[in-house]
Amino acid sequence: EPEVTQTPSHQVTQMGQEVILRCVPISNHLYFYWYRQILGQKVEFLVSFYNNEISEKSEIFDDQFSVERPDGSNFTLKIRSTKLEDSAMYFCASSAGRKTDTQYFGPGTRLTVL
Amino acid sequence: AQSVAQPEDQVNVAEGNPLTVKCTYSVSGNPYLFWYVQYPNRGLQFLLKYITGDNLVKGSYGFEAEFNKSQTSFHLKKPSALVSDSALYFCAVRDIGAGNTGKLIFGQGTTLQVKP
Repeated sequence: EPEVTQTPSHQVTQMGQEVILRCVPISNHLYFYWYRQILGQKVEFLVSFYNNEISEKSEIFDDQFSVERPDGSNFTLKIRSTKLEDSAMYFCASSAGRKTDTQYFGPGTRLTVL
Repeated sequence: AQSVAQPEDQVNVAEGNPLTVKCTYSVSGNPYLFWYVQYPNRGLQFLLKYITGDNLVKGSYGFEAEFNKSQTSFHLKKPSALVSDSALYFCAVRDIGAGNTGKLIFGQGTTLQVKP
């Protein structure tokens, strides 16, 4: 069964450093998403991506964040200058459509900013 | 604005007993509702969804959910709980308003603890 994959599973970085989180969505899906979950809290939407551009972003997704689909298979989230409060679990998700189709999630990347 | 509420932080149930995890929603338009489960240090796994049709939706691992439009609820149920069902459960609504690309809006999650 196709699945969403994410690498790395755990990333530790120093405050102010850049990190890139990688995702490989399900191959025939068209809509891609990043969410994050701060420890013990609910899952929050960050950004959606469709047709090679950002479709929607939340207030969390400020200028320090960017997304890219560099090669038609990978989908990346970059944080330019990490802050302590960026420590969270980051989930990538993909779906075939935007309404009734299920979003399938990857296993997540745990980002720890020291 | 779309929103989802899970009124219980934790639900405790004995193995073999029926379980219910509650979810209420607020949407403009038709609700597209989902349940996901998260095991420790794992991602979100899809359980089931309501789009249209029968109010009782059946999903993975013996779970089902009942859509109730008048009560704006979508409670997750299972007739006989297993210890292995112990996990964090999230209810979510799909945001399909104009200009939106179907992001999920999650409830705060309910921890289900099934005791032997």
